[in-house]
Amino acid sequence: SQQGEEDPQALSIQEGENATMNCSYKTSINNLQWYRQNSGRGLVHLILIRSNEREKHSGRLRVTLDTSKKSSSLLITASRAADTASYFCATVRPNAGGTSYGKLTFGQGTILTVHP
Amino acid sequence: EPEVTQTPSHQVTQMGQEVILRCVPISNHLYFYWYRQILGQKVEFLVSFYNNEISEKSEIFDDQFSVERPDGSNFTLKIRSTKLEDSAMYFCASRGTRGSNQPQHFGDGTRLSIL
Repeated sequence: SQQGEEDPQALSIQEGENATMNCSYKTSINNLQWYRQNSGRGLVHLILIRSNEREKHSGRLRVTLDTSKKSSSLLITASRAADTASYFCATVRPNAGGTSYGKLTFGQGTILTVHP
Repeated sequence: EPEVTQTPSHQVTQMGQEVILRCVPISNHLYFYWYRQILGQKVEFLVSFYNNEISEKSEIFDDQFSVERPDGSNFTLKIRSTKLEDSAMYFCASRGTRGSNQPQHFGDGTRLSIL
């Protein structure tokens, strides 16, 4: 089964609009993280939400987590052309015995295009 | 802000040759990772490294792959006999503290092209 599946696969909006991306996963998690990737670059960490948290904010970013539905959403408010990038959710699962070395399991990502 | 650096940015290698990808993690970090991203696909975990040994590896990380931390600063990924399907972006990441509730910091990657 795939862990971390985002939708939509692609999102195109105008500058100033809000962008919402969703992520679903299938197993129990320690935390869920969102990363951003500009074309040809590495992954930049945006925000981490622990399994016992429901909502987190960071600047124009708002992340929610619903562990009963095994889903998360990332909201970017007042989007800018510079927000154009791919956005990935990634989960960290507990290993058997509760130990986790932090392995990230990524989804396919959402390609966000913000038009000026 | 400290960052993870990877070299080279692009490596072109003939099939069957050995390749070493290099990474300098953030200096006080304790956990080190390699991931890869085949063009158009999602990022996949390869291996994690802690306390000078592999802590976890994926099924992709077979006997052709090895990792090493030869000194206090470098972290390398070696592919012994490259295959066409090894062509991908390879990302190194590091994380500082104990416990998994901390983000990983990624380098900009090495694009590996196997001919």
